[in-house]
Amino acid sequence: AQSVAQPEDQVNVAEGNPLTVKCTYSVSGNPYLFWYVQYPNRGLQFLLKYITGDNLVKGSYGFEAEFNKSQTSFHLKKPSALVSDSALYFCAVRTEHASGGSYIPTFGRGTSLIVHP
Amino acid sequence: DGGITQSPKYLFRKEGQNVTLSCEQNLNHDAMYWYRQDPGQGLRLIYYSQIVNDFQKGDIAEGYSVSREKKESFPLTVTSAQKNPTAFYLCASGMAEKNSPLHFGNGTRLTVT
Repeated sequence: AQSVAQPEDQVNVAEGNPLTVKCTYSVSGNPYLFWYVQYPNRGLQFLLKYITGDNLVKGSYGFEAEFNKSQTSFHLKKPSALVSDSALYFCAVRTEHASGGSYIPTFGRGTSLIVHP
Repeated sequence: DGGITQSPKYLFRKEGQNVTLSCEQNLNHDAMYWYRQDPGQGLRLIYYSQIVNDFQKGDIAEGYSVSREKKESFPLTVTSAQKNPTAFYLCASGMAEKNSPLHFGNGTRLTVT
């Protein structure tokens, strides 16, 4: 089955330090990978997506993601964390749904990022 | 401003009552989706629609129903058959292309007592 996994429920980092939120995937064929951020009681906001051929993808708010085909990973990174980055982060992969034909986004369980002042 | 509007933001119902959640988009997207979010479980797909007058069951469709009579609108009805309806419901829309991201509404928090 095609899926995406976020192995950490929570990541803690001090403000100013680099952060990494991990994501691994399992798909057949080309991966269509995305990162989203969710603030409390809000919908998800798109941060960035994997672009074929680019191992380092840059997105919104200073975030970037590193694609590693051999490790089937798409980790979210930021060189210097801000307290305002504290939120819930979701990795997603767009895969062909069991009902047939359509490429439906499937989400990981989410990782809560807490940035301490 | 283009976007997705979900209403109401908070909804309270008694057990045994059906309730309909509204989702409207003005982004001219063909595809619309309903997800349910529970703590620690991520987002689970309830229903999706790729075109007007057509929709498909997602992974947890039991106890839910939808309609897609207009491109802009994709309402979700939570029926009395849904065993655990209390949750945060998210509507999203997007293009059908594989590398296109979704746009989300701000959700409806449903509490059934």
